[in-house]
Amino acid sequence: AQSVTQLGSHVSVSEGALVLLRCNYSSSVPPYLFWYVQYPNQGLQLLLKYTSAATLVKGINGFEAEFKKSETSFHLTKPSAHMSDAAEYFCAVSERYSSASKIIFGSGTRLSIRP
Amino acid sequence: DAGVTQSPTHLIKTRGQQVTLRCSPKSGHDTVSWYQQALGQGPQFIFQYYEEEERQRGNFPDRFSGHQFPNYSSELNVNALLLGDSALYLCAGAGRGGRGGEQFFGPGTRLTVL
Repeated sequence: AQSVTQLGSHVSVSEGALVLLRCNYSSSVPPYLFWYVQYPNQGLQLLLKYTSAATLVKGINGFEAEFKKSETSFHLTKPSAHMSDAAEYFCAVSERYSSASKIIFGSGTRLSIRP
Repeated sequence: DAGVTQSPTHLIKTRGQQVTLRCSPKSGHDTVSWYQQALGQGPQFIFQYYEEEERQRGNFPDRFSGHQFPNYSSELNVNALLLGDSALYLCAGAGRGGRGGEQFFGPGTRLTVL
């Protein structure tokens, strides 16, 4: 069975500071990993995805994540936080990178940005 | 090109009632998945429809059922509502083999059961 664990339900950083959101995964098969963002009263938007190509994945809005098999981690980072980054972030995993594959989500991390 | 649409936006029901939620995927997307997102939690997979058939299902009771129409739109039905069914219900559309399998999520329907 696959699962993801997000460490920290709430992270607060100052504007301009580094953003680091932590995610660890468990999977019996090579995983496909995702980060989604959810703004208030909106659906989920895909930030980036890992599909077994490059281990460092760049996404939208300046975010990136690094797949580390030895640590079973897929942490999300951004060098400099903007106020507009305040949202809920979900790490997710699936068995296949396919429209047919169900996605298993973590419990989410709420990111707050201090002025 | 319209994105994924869901209706209604909000819904209030009482225990024991039945509810129907609707989803229209993006044009050309033929696969629809439904997820339940309880407050403070991540979305959980309910089921997926393709070619008007339920293709796979998560760990949800039979009170949760669905349907897909020939135009690929979909409905989620929940019978005998419980307080614990209060959640944001998200649908996601995707096209087989298209754009690497990304699923596109709608804004959701907020269901409150009193």
